[in-house]
Amino acid sequence: GAVVSQHPSWVICKSGTSVKIECRSLDFQATTMFWYRQFPKQSLMLMATSNEGSKATYEQGVEKDKFLINHASLTLSTLTVTSAHPEDSSFYICSARAGGMDTEAFFGQGTRLTVV
Amino acid sequence: AQSVTQLDSQVPVFEEAPVELRCNYSSSVSVYLFWYVQYPNQGLQLLLKYLSGSTLVKGINGFEAEFNKSQTSFHLRKPSVHISDTAEYFCAVSDGQAGTALIFGKGTTLSVSS
Repeated sequence: GAVVSQHPSWVICKSGTSVKIECRSLDFQATTMFWYRQFPKQSLMLMATSNEGSKATYEQGVEKDKFLINHASLTLSTLTVTSAHPEDSSFYICSARAGGMDTEAFFGQGTRLTVV
Repeated sequence: AQSVTQLDSQVPVFEEAPVELRCNYSSSVSVYLFWYVQYPNQGLQLLLKYLSGSTLVKGINGFEAEFNKSQTSFHLRKPSVHISDTAEYFCAVSDGQAGTALIFGKGTTLSVSS
């Protein structure tokens, strides 16, 4: 199957700083990428949908000014957690689809963010 | 909006026993269904998917699932589990529209013991 690479796999940052997470589709062009957040022992909650070259669509309750998403190319989307606080600590997972009606979504390996 | 219900949060089972993880989805005109497995601190791995055609879908690692439209279910089964099957399992649904995300159930923790 197709490969989605997410980087970094884990990061520790100080409260108040910003952290950028990258999501790359390595062997296909991803017209749409999705960002999920997963709390311990819980499911994946969709944060936003990003389409190449346009603004991301955020789910209700997700602060777009705090979680900045950029999808500047067909192979790269970034999630920047701005002014991070301890409550932003979580597991973030990206997903990419190549397009079309029934293409499956491929997932990155996730990023464990710890804000201290 | 689509939704997925995984009826069991935890399923303990002994090695070599059969297992069924239950999943129900909200009805839609067209629906695509998926099962993913997640090991600790890792991303998701696709086990199997139903897009169309045969309602019995076979996946990796000996898992299979049956799409039942009348019961809006997509239960995951394995006839004989191994210790290595211990993981978190997620059922997900998509309405198939281009550009829409998968919606996940809350997950089922499968614990296999000897």
